[in-house]
Amino acid sequence: GQQLNQSPQSMFIQEGEDVSMNCTSSSIFNTWLWYKQDPGEGPVLLIALYKAGELTSNGRLTAQFGITRKDSFLNISASIPSDVGIYFCAGHPGNQFYFGTGTSLTVIP
Amino acid sequence: DAGITQSPRHKVTETGTPVTLRCHQTENHRYMYWYRQDPGHGLRLIHYSYGVKDTDKGEVSDGYSVSRSKTEDFLLTLESATSSQTSVYFCAISEGGQRSGYTFGSGTRLTVV
Repeated sequence: GQQLNQSPQSMFIQEGEDVSMNCTSSSIFNTWLWYKQDPGEGPVLLIALYKAGELTSNGRLTAQFGITRKDSFLNISASIPSDVGIYFCAGHPGNQFYFGTGTSLTVIP
Repeated sequence: DAGITQSPRHKVTETGTPVTLRCHQTENHRYMYWYRQDPGHGLRLIHYSYGVKDTDKGEVSDGYSVSRSKTEDFLLTLESATSSQTSVYFCAISEGGQRSGYTFGSGTRLTVV
């Protein structure tokens, strides 16, 4: 199957700091999604991107569809304790979605 | 009023026993998926369905079977549970196509002892 490399694997940050994470693929994707998973729950969709270069925001979250169509980025500004969780990217090359291995975010108050 | 529910939420079973997990949706979505989530591996697709009685294998389908006799229900069966199948299992639904994201259930934590 497709390999999505997500980095970093984990992050420990102070409350109020900005966060950046990214996802790369060896293949071209037509859609990129970003999900957040809270402990004991299923992933919840945060942002969907459909076009190369697209920049989309959802509150303090901003995601970008890379120009090469092989990567995507997620930024969280002014982190708060409830941002804690695992963030997953997902890409669709044309047949199904493939998921990254996740970035675990810990926010220290 | 969740559109997708999984049952049970937790299960402990013995090696060699069959286990069935259920996914129920109220969204009338055509596509349903079963994933397993393990540390370091992310979400891996086990099986998926693209309609009633229409299913196909994912990347980690060995030891699993599925059935979909109604649009709203998708069952995952571990034919003879092994310890390597200890995992968290997620069901997801989708309308299909690359512009339709997946909606996930809350997961089933399965422990095989």
